[in-house]
Amino acid sequence: GDSVTQMEGPVTLSEEAFLTINCTYTATGYPSLFWYVQYPGEGLQLLLKATKADDKGSNKGFEATYRKETTSFHLEKGSVQVSDSAVYFCALTSGGQNFVFGPGTRLSVLP
Amino acid sequence: GAGVSQSPSNKVTEKGKDVELRCDPISGHTALYWYRQRLGQGLEFLIYFQGNSAPDKSGLPSDRFSAERTGESVSTLTIQRTQQEDSAVYLCASSLGPSGSKNEQFFGPGTRLTVL
Repeated sequence: GDSVTQMEGPVTLSEEAFLTINCTYTATGYPSLFWYVQYPGEGLQLLLKATKADDKGSNKGFEATYRKETTSFHLEKGSVQVSDSAVYFCALTSGGQNFVFGPGTRLSVLP
Repeated sequence: GAGVSQSPSNKVTEKGKDVELRCDPISGHTALYWYRQRLGQGLEFLIYFQGNSAPDKSGLPSDRFSAERTGESVSTLTIQRTQQEDSAVYLCASSLGPSGSKNEQFFGPGTRLTVL
């Protein structure tokens, strides 16, 4: 079945550092890919998405590019802030399948 | 607001009791999902409803767990004879279209269940 693998962290960075959280997937069809974020004490919310190969999703300075050749959807941000501290989940949905979430990556940004 | 709502926000119960958790999806969303999130863990899929189709129950961990949905409206997750390992946050999400579409899920705030 479909699956999502992401670096589990925790990831600890200093403010203004560059962030990469790796995500790779296995899917039988042509999935849509998502990054969700869960801030401390809050529910999950969509951060960005991409629905076809080579699409780039972006939001709040975060970007991720749908790479079909490497089955990846890595999350990047050029300069993280303390307020970006959260748990980030990579997810996919594919034809006839449920949403599949990765295990989450906890990010801590230190001032 | 127009978001997904869940109730109660917190539930403390004794081992062996039954609990009911409620989810009100966004109006017009045909798809509804339940997940379990244990402390510090990822999301564990439980059950998926899409319109009037038979639900996908493949994620339910035991026959103590069941869920219903009235049409494309409210859903109730029931856990019978609760055990301590059932303690978790139970998340509900809804989506405009069926799984496999390009529509993202919108999550509710969750119900934190504690089984003593």
